Amino acid sequence: SQQGEEDPQALSIQEGENATMNCSYKTSINNLQWYRQNSGRGLVHLILIRSNEREKHSGRLRVTLDTSKKSSSLLITASRAADTASYFCATDSRMDSSYKLIFGSGTRLLVRP
Amino acid sequence: DVKVTQSSRYLVKRTGEKVFLECVQDMDHENMFWYRQDPGLGLRLIYFSYDVKMKEKGDIPEGYSVSREKKERFSLILESASTNQTSMYLCASNRGGSTDTQYFGPGTRLTVL
Repeated sequence: SQQGEEDPQALSIQEGENATMNCSYKTSINNLQWYRQNSGRGLVHLILIRSNEREKHSGRLRVTLDTSKKSSSLLITASRAADTASYFCATDSRMDSSYKLIFGSGTRLLVRP
Repeated sequence: DVKVTQSSRYLVKRTGEKVFLECVQDMDHENMFWYRQDPGLGLRLIYFSYDVKMKEKGDIPEGYSVSREKKERFSLILESASTNQTSMYLCASNRGGSTDTQYFGPGTRLTVL
């Protein structure tokens, strides 16, 4: 089952521009996380936003969460070629005594030098 | 730094072979996860373990089994590999709190011929 769906599937921008990626989900969540994956590598956690938060910043990253619309966005400002990667949102889903993350299919970002 | 390691980056096996994928984490995390990642499908949970010798099926457990004899090690077993199990396999771990980040290994790209 896929909870989070990213949009767009692919994004190509020039270095220095801002990149915005969106994530929509279907059911109630406690938290939403964003991860980054460089080509052929594992995922790296970027930022977590709780359901009672509306906006969060970390360096050049800005994440917003709208629980009424069941959507989140990730903004990368002043992009660099090194930001080229795939970006995934993940929402938590309770399972027995713990929880699992449900990942979307990701947005592939290409930052052209 | 949290470290999650996987035994192989690339693996080529033949149909019908028994395949072991090993994952080790060094942060004393309770939870460990195995995902597979396929283009357009994002990450899908195969199995997870919340304690030694404990396991739970994820979304796509068919054709796989797991073993967790020690807290730091979580093995994924393909009893009889098939070509449709060609994929990227990602291991992750976390402490299991409702807001906890998952830490991923570098991935194993498995090709079944």
